[in-house]
Amino acid sequence: GEDVEQSLFLSVREGDSSVINCTYTDSSSTYLYWYKQEPGAGLQLLTYIFSNMDMKQDQRLTVLLNKKDKHLSLRIADTQTGDSAIYFCASGVTDSWGKLQFGAGTQVVVTP
Amino acid sequence: EPEVTQTPSHQVTQMGQEVILRCVPISNHLYFYWYRQILGQKVEFLVSFYNNEISEKSEIFDDQFSVERPDGSNFTLKIRSTKLEDSAMYFCAAHPAETGDNYEQYFGPGTRLTVT
Repeated sequence: GEDVEQSLFLSVREGDSSVINCTYTDSSSTYLYWYKQEPGAGLQLLTYIFSNMDMKQDQRLTVLLNKKDKHLSLRIADTQTGDSAIYFCASGVTDSWGKLQFGAGTQVVVTP
Repeated sequence: EPEVTQTPSHQVTQMGQEVILRCVPISNHLYFYWYRQILGQKVEFLVSFYNNEISEKSEIFDDQFSVERPDGSNFTLKIRSTKLEDSAMYFCAAHPAETGDNYEQYFGPGTRLTVT
């Protein structure tokens, strides 16, 4: 079946850039999302991108999409300790775009 | 960020009992969803709900599950006879009407369901 894959863990030093990667298999994926989950909290929408875009920037966040390779990345500039969390990639398709398919999440640990 | 709230935050129930999980979506949102996350596993789609009816449901959403929006604000997920494997975090999500290019889907904080 269709799948979304992420690396499970990323360690980064405070002040450096973090890059979280995601691959998806559904070629009809139209909407790609990044969510952040802090311990004990829900899923916070960070940003999303349409499949007809290559890049989207929002303050410290940059999303890059390579549709040919079905590869999505989230770059966090100047990573802070408050960025420590689990980051989920999710995809939606046009016909049932609200039905998101999630990756397993990437645990990001920011060290001082 | 617009807020979706859920109650209770944690529910403990015995196997075979019925549970109702509640969600209060954002007032102008029209599309509603339930997802679940079993510990250590991916977040999984359960059901989508629009215009007072189910739009789509997954294989997980069998006859033991039902959803409704009884009073135009609360959105509920009922599990009729809980099983041990229903233990999970259940997330409600909501989305506005398809206006412009807004496809933001907002999640609530989740209800942790523990079936003993």
